[in-house]
Amino acid sequence: DAGITQSPRHKVTETGTPVTLRCHQTENHRYMYWYRQDPGHGLRLIHYSYGVKDTDKGEVSDGYSVSRSKTEDFLLTLESATSSQTSVYFCAISEVRAEYGYTFGSGTRLTVV
Amino acid sequence: QQQVKQSPQSLIVQKGGISIINCAYENTAFDYFPWYQQFPGKGPALLIAIRPDVSEKKEGRFTISFNKSAKQFSLHIMDSQPGDSATYFCAASINNDMRFGAGTRLTVKP
Repeated sequence: DAGITQSPRHKVTETGTPVTLRCHQTENHRYMYWYRQDPGHGLRLIHYSYGVKDTDKGEVSDGYSVSRSKTEDFLLTLESATSSQTSVYFCAISEVRAEYGYTFGSGTRLTVV
Repeated sequence: QQQVKQSPQSLIVQKGGISIINCAYENTAFDYFPWYQQFPGKGPALLIAIRPDVSEKKEGRFTISFNKSAKQFSLHIMDSQPGDSATYFCAASINNDMRFGAGTRLTVKP
C-alpha cells in the first residue's frame, strides 16, 4: 500500500515475550491508528495518535502500548505477549481524523505460541 | 457490545446479480459511515462513504442507502462481478472513534 509500510509482515513469538510492531508512513499524515482484526469482530481500535508524542487509547488497549517520536513512525508494543493477542494487526493513517477515509497498511500477522 | 452490526456474514451471488450488505448502528452521534473492501492478504481500502444528511450515494456500481431514523445503512453492488469477491466492512465514526462491523465475505460466482 503506497505511503504506509508495516513491519514485520509475519511474526511468531512465545508467550511472555515483548513484541514491537512498526508502522512507517511517507504521507506526512497527522493521524495514525493501530487496529487488530479477528474473525467475527471486524477491526477494533487499539491506540491512535494525533501527533508526535500525542496518543490515546482505543477500544481494546489493555496489554498494548504505543509510541510516536516522529511523524512518520508509530510503534505498537505488546509488553508481555499472550495467546489472546494472536491476531492480524493493521496500521492506518488519515489526514483529517476519520473523514476522507483511512489508508491501511498490509498488516502484520502475529502468532503467540 | 458491538456498536455496528453487519449482516450477512457471508454472501454468494451470481455474476450480474445484486449484492446487498446491511449494517445497523447504535450511537446516534456517529456522523460518518464508510464502507471498506478487503482482499486476502491486503489491508482494507475505502470503497464509498456517506454522511447522515444524505439518504443515498452512488459511485459507479456501488450505492450506499442510509436510513437515519432506523439507524441502518446498506451497500448495494449492482451487476456484481467475480472481481468484487472480497470481504466488506461497514463502519461508523465520530471524531477519532471509528467502529467497524464484523465483515461480510462476498463470493461472486461466474
